Amino acid sequence: AQSVTQLGSHVSVSEGALVLLRCNYSSSVPPYLFWYVQYPNQGLQLLLKYTSAATLVKGINGFEAEFKKSETSFHLTKPSAHMSDAAEYFCAVDKDQAGTALIFGKGTTLSVSS
Amino acid sequence: EAGVAQSPRYKIIEKRQSVAFWCNPISGHATLYWYQQILGQGPKLLIQFQNNGVVDDSQLPKDRFSAERLKGVDSTLKIQPAKLEDSAVYLCASSLTQGAHGYTFGSGTRLTVV
Repeated sequence: AQSVTQLGSHVSVSEGALVLLRCNYSSSVPPYLFWYVQYPNQGLQLLLKYTSAATLVKGINGFEAEFKKSETSFHLTKPSAHMSDAAEYFCAVDKDQAGTALIFGKGTTLSVSS
Repeated sequence: EAGVAQSPRYKIIEKRQSVAFWCNPISGHATLYWYQQILGQGPKLLIQFQNNGVVDDSQLPKDRFSAERLKGVDSTLKIQPAKLEDSAVYLCASSLTQGAHGYTFGSGTRLTVV
């Protein structure tokens, strides 16, 4: 069965510092992987997705993620954090190769201090 | 393009009462999903519709939860009777085709059962 594990429920960085949010997946087939961001009292917004094309995926707001099959990882990074990046981040994997529903991790809260 | 509309935004009910949530997907989106997001957890799929047919309802607690999508457009999710553990945010999402690539989430309905 597909699953994702987000390492660290809370990450704190200073403004301008590197952001690294970790996600490891478990999948019996080549996965499709996603990162979503959720601001308070809002729905989820897609940051980026991996669908078996380039292993380095660039998303919105300066975020990117690299698919590493050998490490079963899909970590999210941003070179320089901004105060507006403070939010909840979710890693997700599709339920099956038919691209149906998503299975989400428990989320990582990113705090950015000035 | 208008987003996914959900109502109400907030609802407080007593346990054993019933409640209904409404979702209007993006025009033309054939696939509609309902997710439950309990505080501190990632969203969990409750049910997936393709047009007005159910694709996956394996995680829907059918003894108390029901959902319908008449005419393949709007959808209603109902809980009857509600339990304390149903307190959560209920998210609706839609996509043009069956697949996670083009998900758009609504802002959700926050349910509190007291």
